[in-house]
Amino acid sequence: DGGITQSPKYLFRKEGQNVTLSCEQNLNHDAMYWYRQDPGQGLRLIYYSQIVNDFQKGDIAEGYSVSREKKESFPLTVTSAQKNPTAFYLCASSSGPKSLIQHFGDGTRLSIL
Amino acid sequence: AQSVTQLDSQVPVFEEAPVELRCNYSSSVSVYLFWYVQYPNQGLQLLLKYLSGSTLVKGINGFEAEFNKSQTSFHLRKPSVHISDTAEYFCAVSDRGSTLGRLYFGRGTQLTVWP
Repeated sequence: DGGITQSPKYLFRKEGQNVTLSCEQNLNHDAMYWYRQDPGQGLRLIYYSQIVNDFQKGDIAEGYSVSREKKESFPLTVTSAQKNPTAFYLCASSSGPKSLIQHFGDGTRLSIL
Repeated sequence: AQSVTQLDSQVPVFEEAPVELRCNYSSSVSVYLFWYVQYPNQGLQLLLKYLSGSTLVKGINGFEAEFNKSQTSFHLRKPSVHISDTAEYFCAVSDRGSTLGRLYFGRGTQLTVWP
């Protein structure tokens, strides 16, 4: 079945460490997105990518980095510069900017030890 | 940038009662509108969307929503809820003229259905 796979489901990070969240899709979608979800704050856009080897900052990109070397993969690195990284992270994809329908993975919950 | 307001952070309701979850958006330009549902520790699932045409749109699980351009609203309704409808619901909007495909989300409404 086609879909979006995020791994791991739960992730723990020590202070000062970088950590990378994986997002893979087999929907052949061009566009991919990373959101951060905090209780009562909805979803906030971190980064998005419309095509391979291109990506743009969203509303809360500070302390995060991404790459888009392959169409099916859009990993998110949470760096030590992100002072409050504990959150639920959601990856999404769409067939393109004109598609509008975003499909979501099941998320990764990141916690600080 | 768009702003989406979900007026109720929590909505408790008894099973088989009707429910309305309210959503207002800020834009004066043409928009596309969406409702997504999220079950605990899962991603978001599309409930319904308004792209054009009839202002009353029907979605999955018996939900429907009405687009009201003059009031910039897109309220979600269900005439009779079930325990299984307990979840968080997000309203989202996208600008018609945008080439970026961005969605702007509200803060969510937690719907809790009691037996």
